[in-house]
Amino acid sequence: DGGITQSPKYLFRKEGQNVTLSCEQNLNHDAMYWYRQDPGQGLRLIYYSQIVNDFQKGDIAEGYSVSREKKESFPLTVTSAQKNPTAFYLCASSIDPVTGELFFGEGSRLTVL
Amino acid sequence: GENVEQHPSTLSVQEGDSAVIKCTYSDSASNYFPWYKQELGKRPQLIIDIRSNVGEKKDQRIAVTLNKTAKHFSLHITETQPEDSAVYFCAAPGSARQLTFGSGTQLTVLP
Repeated sequence: DGGITQSPKYLFRKEGQNVTLSCEQNLNHDAMYWYRQDPGQGLRLIYYSQIVNDFQKGDIAEGYSVSREKKESFPLTVTSAQKNPTAFYLCASSIDPVTGELFFGEGSRLTVL
Repeated sequence: GENVEQHPSTLSVQEGDSAVIKCTYSDSASNYFPWYKQELGKRPQLIIDIRSNVGEKKDQRIAVTLNKTAKHFSLHITETQPEDSAVYFCAAPGSARQLTFGSGTQLTVLP
């Protein structure tokens, strides 16, 4: 069954801890993305990667880090430097980085206590 | 970078009526305009898109219109049904060739 898998679905962490969100895809897409979704603010781009071993900052990259060691995987680390990390995080992939349809995962909801 | 504004933020219509959601963008070089639908608790999914070489595109009850001169595009849903209730996002590519999303419209179709 092709698609994007995010884990965990829900995550609770204490303030000051780094957390890593997993994103795996078996669609053979080159491009992968991380978005943050907050109520009333749409989807804001955190990081994106158009090819293995390369990634670029999006609009709100501060306090986040990523890696792209394999085509299928694009994990996101929310570091302690992120001032307001509680949010819903969506991973996506596409064939074409601009005009290709984005295929989203089911999301990970992070709550920092 | 690209700035995409979306209106209204909430929209309620009676079942069977039409719904229109509007977006404006700032980058005149943008040439691709998708619309995504996110049902409650689910992932966003592409419902329709339009490229800058056409002014309108239809797919059954949904249509998108594009006015490149005015830099705005709209989503039209006719004969609305309860399953149309969702959050709708417009998007446009910016200078970094990545999509910038609007802030979303919560559409509620009242029975």
